[in-house]
Amino acid sequence: QVQLVEAGGGVVQPGRSLRLSCAASGFTFSSYAMHWVRQAPGKGLEWVALISYDAYNKYYADSVKGRFTISRDNSNNTLYLQMNSLRTEDTAVYYCARDDGWLHYFDYWGQGTLVTVSS
Amino acid sequence: EIVMTQSPATLSVSPGESATLSCRASQSVNYNLAWYQRKPGQAPRLLIYGASTRATGIPARFSGSGSGTEFTLTISSLQSEDFAVYYCHQYNNWPPHTFGQGTKLEIK
Repeated sequence: QVQLVEAGGGVVQPGRSLRLSCAASGFTFSSYAMHWVRQAPGKGLEWVALISYDAYNKYYADSVKGRFTISRDNSNNTLYLQMNSLRTEDTAVYYCARDDGWLHYFDYWGQGTLVTVSS
Repeated sequence: EIVMTQSPATLSVSPGESATLSCRASQSVNYNLAWYQRKPGQAPRLLIYGASTRATGIPARFSGSGSGTEFTLTISSLQSEDFAVYYCHQYNNWPPHTFGQGTKLEIK
């Protein structure tokens, strides 16, 4: 079955960096685009970034553009999110999600990893 | 950016009854609308895509309808496991993908 397992969350000071990972299994990872979505405390879901199956195309939310970088390692079935210049407003649970591959909804999600940006 | 607005924010319903959740888009998203269920500590789960198509394994008591800017998720004969937060998501115009703020379905 499809499994997505995020890791790398934690407490970090403003201005510092953190890298999240998402280990995928149960499907051909290299055939699917992948997303990061986050949810801040008390807020709704916010899409963060998208990477195409071959890593050729990447898209970002305006709120993270220039600070976050999405990448993938298809040989190791892993998705990454490099987060630099972190702000307190980046505090959230970060989810990785699989793109359905056709219409671009999210058909599978991980359980999320919590990132807390605080001094 | 397309803004998605869900109503109500909280819905209190008794088990066995039906619940109707609404989602409105600031401009047409055609049929490109999905619904997700999220329970605390669990991964969000896809319920509906294409506005009305149930995802694999989703019980028939979940149904979606609508097109353009107005959408509805109906859950009939509510069971205890259905009490959760529900989000709509438009994937017609991206980036960015956008979500509603969620409707919390609670036990009355």
